[in-house]
Amino acid sequence: SQQGEEDPQALSIQEGENATMNCSYKTSINNLQWYRQNSGRGLVHLILIRSNEREKHSGRLRVTLDTSKKSSSLLITASRAADTASYFCADTNSGYALNFGKGTSLLVTP
Amino acid sequence: DVKVTQSSRYLVKRTGEKVFLECVQDMDHENMFWYRQDPGLGLRLIYFSYDVKMKEKGDIPEGYSVSREKKERFSLILESASTNQTSMYLCASSPRISTLNEKLFFGSGTQLSVL
Repeated sequence: SQQGEEDPQALSIQEGENATMNCSYKTSINNLQWYRQNSGRGLVHLILIRSNEREKHSGRLRVTLDTSKKSSSLLITASRAADTASYFCADTNSGYALNFGKGTSLLVTP
Repeated sequence: DVKVTQSSRYLVKRTGEKVFLECVQDMDHENMFWYRQDPGLGLRLIYFSYDVKMKEKGDIPEGYSVSREKKERFSLILESASTNQTSMYLCASSPRISTLNEKLFFGSGTQLSVL
């Protein structure tokens, strides 16, 4: 069942600007993951943050996790046109499968 | 690199047909998943498998079945395709869980249209 919900649904920025996307979830989690999907393609894993972590970095990506607010944010710094894609958060509290949100559609214009 | 291959990129079928969607992974992963993706609804889990011949229902299993006879292959079967099964189907795999919920590796997807 879906748990993570991204906000905003759509985001349009110019190259060089930062993009911030938020994700909220409802129950306790083991970890939270972010994925990217280019138009009409499969999802690609970006970053995983565990429930006992508060912040994680990977290149131009910065993810934060606030378990007290049941929320996470993904920051993409110095955006490029190639960052244009949909971004999904995914979580699970137990078991094998991930629960995905509906995604944020990011458009980066030159 | 892990490769998850879905047999068809685009597929057009008629209502009532039996449809097979094939997925193969080359990394000896124990877990395999089928999701469908629809605009405004995100990804929804149909079935998953954590071992050969083992399967578990996801959130929306109705109208679907799965088969996992070999570790590398996970098939999704639409017993009698209907127009409301028109969707993007995404296969994914992940290694055995030593710590819970490892990241998923996705195939490129199959866009299925049922006419």
